[in-house]
Amino acid sequence: QKEVEQNSGPLSVPEGAIASLNCTYSDRVSQSFFWYRQYSGKSPELIMSIYSNGDKEDGRFTAQLNKASQYVSLLIRDSQPSDSATYLCAGGTSYGKLTFGQGTILTVHP
Amino acid sequence: EADIYQTPRYLVIGTGKKITLECSQTMGHDKMYWYQQDPGMELHLIHYSYGVNSTEKGDLSSESTVSRIRTEHFPLTLESARPSHTSQYLCASSESGGLSAKNIQYFGAGTRLSVL
Repeated sequence: QKEVEQNSGPLSVPEGAIASLNCTYSDRVSQSFFWYRQYSGKSPELIMSIYSNGDKEDGRFTAQLNKASQYVSLLIRDSQPSDSATYLCAGGTSYGKLTFGQGTILTVHP
Repeated sequence: EADIYQTPRYLVIGTGKKITLECSQTMGHDKMYWYQQDPGMELHLIHYSYGVNSTEKGDLSSESTVSRIRTEHFPLTLESARPSHTSQYLCASSESGGLSAKNIQYFGAGTRLSVL
């Protein structure tokens, strides 16, 4: 099993809809998780971090962590075309390294 | 906003040349990382450092080497570039510390390398 695995994409949603991105992780990944957004040809930028079980909201973004199910998700409300990008889920290890998932390509169409 | 800089942004060179990709950060972060990413593909960790004079190989085997003589500087060198080295190279840094916000990695803009 890969340490961090994202649900297969690509994902296409209409403008204004909720986009749901999911990620599962193995026992080798510790309890800090991050969602990065990467536009084509650019470097990843952090959009959310979550360390505790439950939900964390920041504007249109909500990260959810379920440690029992080893599952972390990102919800994007009121999706905009500018949200179209690759979203990377990453889990931290005890030595400070991050393990990245393979990414989910999101397209928001007008 | 993260202050981590990579140069050059783009590099096209011939096979057999020696190259050094520069990465510098002004945040005083102890930890620095190099990733390799092909278009549309995953990020792969190739080198990391926990501080001055500390370097480790990452999860993906790479023919490149790194050095960490100063906290702020983490250059990557290819002694003899080959077409198989064509890729995007991303540098990142994070604070030292445990399982918290200090694990957040901040990325530079990347160097896109093409070896002919």
